[in-house]
Amino acid sequence: DAGVIQSPRHEVTEMGQEVTLRCKPISGHNSLFWYRQTMMRGLELLIYFNNNVPIDDSGMPEDRFSAKMPNASFSTLKIQPSEPRDSAVYFCASSRTGEQLFGYTFGSGTRLTVV
Amino acid sequence: DQQVKQNSPSLSVQEGRISILNCDYTNSMFDYFLWYKKYPAEGPTFLISISSIKDKNEDGRFTVFLNKSAKHLSLHIVPSQPGDSAVYFCAALGETSYDKVIFGPGTSLSVIP
Repeated sequence: DAGVIQSPRHEVTEMGQEVTLRCKPISGHNSLFWYRQTMMRGLELLIYFNNNVPIDDSGMPEDRFSAKMPNASFSTLKIQPSEPRDSAVYFCASSRTGEQLFGYTFGSGTRLTVV
Repeated sequence: DQQVKQNSPSLSVQEGRISILNCDYTNSMFDYFLWYKKYPAEGPTFLISISSIKDKNEDGRFTVFLNKSAKHLSLHIVPSQPGDSAVYFCAALGETSYDKVIFGPGTSLSVIP
């Protein structure tokens, strides 16, 4: 299994531009999570999908952020317009429902820099 | 307000000695606790977990202790090795299948050869 695949690995964009981050979860995993890592707040959950349906988006910072999961093998996190304070590492993780105790599988992350 | 706290941002330990990483939580509804390890430029990887019905879980050099009354857990690494140098995240979740994992801010461990 290739694991959770995220793209791009690095993204540098100018303030005001749209940014789209992509994630392919592990086949058979039906829960998908988007996390953001910053020095100040550590790993914070942005949104959580189960069977392609958003279950909890209370962590999405503001309306500039949106996430979709059109099918079981693909999810996107979009920021429009981007701002310098959005600079962080964004992680996608997946698991089977009810198997959280055995740990999520994380992707390698996308390092976003907004200048 | 953070529900999972790791009050030490960093820790340095000599190779061969014990590393103790601490974690506190505020939500008494948490039933499971996990530790993740993260190397630079990689995603976090699951290390060890413990259920609230236990007070200790051991896996090789790694042992997690849980003090539910104090809402405190700790990860012990014995003996510490240079390859253990990483950021360690404490995490917690409730008992339902749909509960999300809440992570602490992490502690950066450096094991000095």
